[in-house]
Amino acid sequence: GQSLEQPSEVTAVEGAIVQINCTYQTSGFYGLSWYQQHDGGAPTFLSYNGLDGLEETGRFSSFLSRSDSYGYLLLQELQMKDSASYFCAVRPHNQAGTALIFGKGTTLSVSS
Amino acid sequence: DADVTQTPRNRITKTGKRIMLECSQTKGHDRMYWYRQDPGLGLRLIYYSFDVKDINKGEISDGYSVSRQAQAKFSLSLESAIPNQTALYFCATSEQGNQPQHFGDGTRLSIL
Repeated sequence: GQSLEQPSEVTAVEGAIVQINCTYQTSGFYGLSWYQQHDGGAPTFLSYNGLDGLEETGRFSSFLSRSDSYGYLLLQELQMKDSASYFCAVRPHNQAGTALIFGKGTTLSVSS
Repeated sequence: DADVTQTPRNRITKTGKRIMLECSQTKGHDRMYWYRQDPGLGLRLIYYSFDVKDINKGEISDGYSVSRQAQAKFSLSLESAIPNQTALYFCATSEQGNQPQHFGDGTRLSIL
């Protein structure tokens, strides 16, 4: 089976850096994705790590280490609009397609 | 205009009623998905479809059925709704491979 663990809540102040960790137990997967969701709205794609290492997209970076069964999303220069829920997700090898298994999400609260 | 459109956006109904949630997309994607979101549980996969007439069960398919009548349309049915099916339901689409999923704005369903 597959399971992904994330902290349920993280708090930070504007301008700070925050790291949201995702640890997983899975028999194998194609890559680790991150999605952002504001206030019950549509989740939106942030980043994807197919290989180990760091992927950078503007203020956001994502990291994957398959040997450590671990990944993280790094948010820099935090802004109030970054307050949202963040989900890590994997596409397991045992599903012949692109169906994702999501973690339970981390609620990030950014204060001024 | 939204690329992935869900109708209705909100629905309140009674136990035992048959409910159909509709999803249509203009992105031309072959792959479509239905997820359910409950507070603290993240997004859980109900059903997914890789092409017209292709249907696959997800993590929590019991009590639900789906129909993929055309590439652009994927509907979710609750044949006899029960209160613990009260949740936020999302439809999503994607291309093949490790491409991101694109979500609709969700349907908030309450079963009394």
